[in-house]
Amino acid sequence: AQSVSQHNHHVILSEAASLELGCNYSYGGTVNLFWYVQYPGQHLQLLLKYFSGDPLVKGIKGFEAEFIKSKFSFNLRKPSVQWSDTAEYFCAVNRGTGGFKTIFGAGTRLFVKA
Amino acid sequence: GAVVSQHPSRVICKSGTSVKIECRSLDFQATTMFWYRQFPKQSLMLMATSNEGSKATYEQGVEKDKFLINHASLTLSTLTVTSAHPEDSSFYICSARDQRAYATGELFFGEGSRLTVL
Repeated sequence: AQSVSQHNHHVILSEAASLELGCNYSYGGTVNLFWYVQYPGQHLQLLLKYFSGDPLVKGIKGFEAEFIKSKFSFNLRKPSVQWSDTAEYFCAVNRGTGGFKTIFGAGTRLFVKA
Repeated sequence: GAVVSQHPSRVICKSGTSVKIECRSLDFQATTMFWYRQFPKQSLMLMATSNEGSKATYEQGVEKDKFLINHASLTLSTLTVTSAHPEDSSFYICSARDQRAYATGELFFGEGSRLTVL
């Protein structure tokens, strides 16, 4: 069965520190990959996505993610975090065909200290 | 951008009653909507895929007679929790796929509905 693993459940960083959140998925076929973010008190929103082309994708607010097919990974990065990046981050995967059923990782709670 | 609205945002009900949650796509047509359940400090668990004009597809372990899903139009899907019990208390989130983003299946999320069953 398709699954998504996020390695870090809680991350605490100081402002200006670099961020990398790990994400691995299990499905071997064509996939679309996403990172969603949920700020405190808000609903989930898309941070960035990969479906084809350049494996390094850039999203909003300075985030980027790299798709490494051989490692089944889609890690999220940001060179310098801000206090406003405090949120929960979810990696998600859907297959490139069919109903686009999307499976989510367990999420990573990021807290950035001012 | 694509907006999904969910209502009510919070609902408290007595055990044994039924509760309906609505999910609307406000500025796009959604042939497919997904219903998720989120437990505290856990990820989103997919409950079912709601297809406009046809029966919903439920994930393994989700009782279709307990969680009734209706997707009668391209902009509205409803989730009814029937004969609710305290263990059904949770955060329910709907999401919709914009047909314009067909190639990737990107989802747009509602605000979520927190159900508390007393």
